[in-house]
Amino acid sequence: EVQLVESGGGLVKPGGSLRLSCAVSGFTFNTYSMNWVRQAPGKGLEWVSSISSSNYIYYADSVKGRFTISRDNAKNSLYLQMNSLRVEDTAVYYCAKEFGMGAFDYWGQGTLVTVSS
Amino acid sequence: QSALTQPRSVSGSPGQSVTISCTGSSSDLRGYNYVSWYQQHPDKPPKLIIYDVSERPSGVPDRFSGSKSGNAASLTISGLQDEDEGDYYCCSYEGTFVFGTGTEVTVL
Repeated sequence: EVQLVESGGGLVKPGGSLRLSCAVSGFTFNTYSMNWVRQAPGKGLEWVSSISSSNYIYYADSVKGRFTISRDNAKNSLYLQMNSLRVEDTAVYYCAKEFGMGAFDYWGQGTLVTVSS
Repeated sequence: QSALTQPRSVSGSPGQSVTISCTGSSSDLRGYNYVSWYQQHPDKPPKLIIYDVSERPSGVPDRFSGSKSGNAASLTISGLQDEDEGDYYCCSYEGTFVFGTGTEVTVL
């Protein structure tokens, strides 16, 4: 059974940092691209970042220069280092497994990040 | 990376069909076949229901269908059922991903 479990969310002040983790199981992690997608309270989905099996990395313009995606294939884990956090980064952050070209077939339950003073 | 445009809401009675449009603005859907659709129920993660414009993952009912014409993609739900109520998002992939603005489907 495929499982993706996010952790690391919480309350942080503007300008602060957080590191999200996503532990995965049930598939060969090192052969798939992985992504972070977020959803602000009551709002729609927003793609944040992706990392391929070969470590090609892409970011949304809204987080470029502040967020860093990484993976540890030995630990079957995906990470998102978030620096210089802003109020508008407040959201549930999902990790998602990429399927084929351009789709997400498995999602975690999400972890809530709240940026507030 | 502007969001794709979807209608805010659509509704239909059980058994009817509804169609949700997804239109590119600065994102051009025209030349790409990597459009996916997601269903989301309250406080749940999204669920993939269509990929590659019109393909259904295993286990997704065939009342869900997708298509694309020019710069617009569409999701049709035929034979609407109560459990289809929720939010639906399109997504385009062009090296990076862009989601649609989301559509709330209400079953009357």
